[in-house]
Amino acid sequence: DAKTTQPTSMDCAEGRAANLPCNHSTISGNEYVYWYRQIHSQGPQYIIHGLKNNETNEMASLIITEDRKSSTLILPHATLRDTAVYYCIANMNRDDKIIFGKGTRLHILP
Amino acid sequence: DVKVTQSSRYLVKRTGEKVFLECVQDMDHENMFWYRQDPGLGLRLIYFSYDVKMKEKGDIPEGYSVSREKKERFSLILESASTNQTSMYLCASSGLAGLTGELFFGEGSRLTVL
Repeated sequence: DAKTTQPTSMDCAEGRAANLPCNHSTISGNEYVYWYRQIHSQGPQYIIHGLKNNETNEMASLIITEDRKSSTLILPHATLRDTAVYYCIANMNRDDKIIFGKGTRLHILP
Repeated sequence: DVKVTQSSRYLVKRTGEKVFLECVQDMDHENMFWYRQDPGLGLRLIYFSYDVKMKEKGDIPEGYSVSREKKERFSLILESASTNQTSMYLCASSGLAGLTGELFFGEGSRLTVL
């Protein structure tokens, strides 16, 4: 399973787009990129995942580079409720351990 | 609404006690996982299971065991609790056979070992 690297923390102004980067340079062709977030004192919550195409849902957009070595999670209009730790995971199949790193702590500034 | 339920939100135990943390999911998921979370260390995988009676070690299995007798239930067992097992324990499940899909997490069980 590919390792992922994320910045430790980021700030974003309320109402602006939050762009969270993730590096997964060793990702293999059949590994998906997943994003989760964890709000304080709660279990992590799934946000979005993708393989090679960009994806969008009601929560966020996921942009994956053409070489698939990195991706960016975009929260289009950040609110204070988006303050959380965001985890990027590269994972493939049922025999892989699902490993969470330390994630990025996103602070939304009023 | 999909649900992963952990039996206790908060527990306090004494060193040497046997501790059971129970997790139940109502989504008919095949895959279940136990993580622990500590400040500065993120989530670390203890054990996981892809089928009934099946278990696999995660990154930090020492001091823990698990039981999966029924598909919906995955138990984490601390045979003899120690203070360094004070932590937040998170259970998760996922349901795509052959492809680990979206994980659904419980609310967590905060264990304090005195």
